[in-house]
Amino acid sequence: DVKVTQSSRYLVKRTGEKVFLECVQDMDHENMFWYRQDPGLGLRLIYFSYDVKMKEKGDIPEGYSVSREKKERFSLILESASTNQTSMYLCASSLSLIYTEAFFGQGTRLTVV
Amino acid sequence: TQLLEQSPQFLSIQEGENLTVYCNSSSVFSSLQWYRQEPGEGPVLLVTVVTGGEVKKLKRLTFQFGDARKDSSLHITAAQPGDTGLYLCAGVGGNNRLAFGKGNQVVVIP
Repeated sequence: DVKVTQSSRYLVKRTGEKVFLECVQDMDHENMFWYRQDPGLGLRLIYFSYDVKMKEKGDIPEGYSVSREKKERFSLILESASTNQTSMYLCASSLSLIYTEAFFGQGTRLTVV
Repeated sequence: TQLLEQSPQFLSIQEGENLTVYCNSSSVFSSLQWYRQEPGEGPVLLVTVVTGGEVKKLKRLTFQFGDARKDSSLHITAAQPGDTGLYLCAGVGGNNRLAFGKGNQVVVIP
């Protein structure tokens, strides 16, 4: 059974902290994605990666960075967390960028206080 | 950014009723996907439509891709409480990125 696993379901962090969200997939997929989901705004793409050490900005990259040192792992980094980064964060992976299914993790609900 | 508009945003119906939700865009998509997301979980793919005019059925769910590949609909026959969820459409556009609509929140009341 295919699986995308996010390291935490719930996180509470303080303003200014550096935050790491980890995502691991076991499907040998080339492509991995980070989205955030907010009421009324839907899913918005933060960053994606189509290969190890490769990354591209999505629609809302400001305040975030990513790391992909190994094919199966894609990390989202909040350099200095702010309250407007309180959100549901969803990681996904796919075999190719087009046509194929995106498999999502269960999500991390991050609260920045 | 290609915009996908989903309507209605929220729909509440009684068990056994039929419903249709829509996903519209001014852009042409090479394919459209429909996902269902339950509370506290990530979205799960239901179907992918690729050909203009295509109709796909998944038990009581019928998905249609518009002839011009700009829009899609999801029809649920005899809705069940297990159909409750957020239905998301997603399209792959010219930039080869998967863009999501904001979703149709469906609540089926027993």
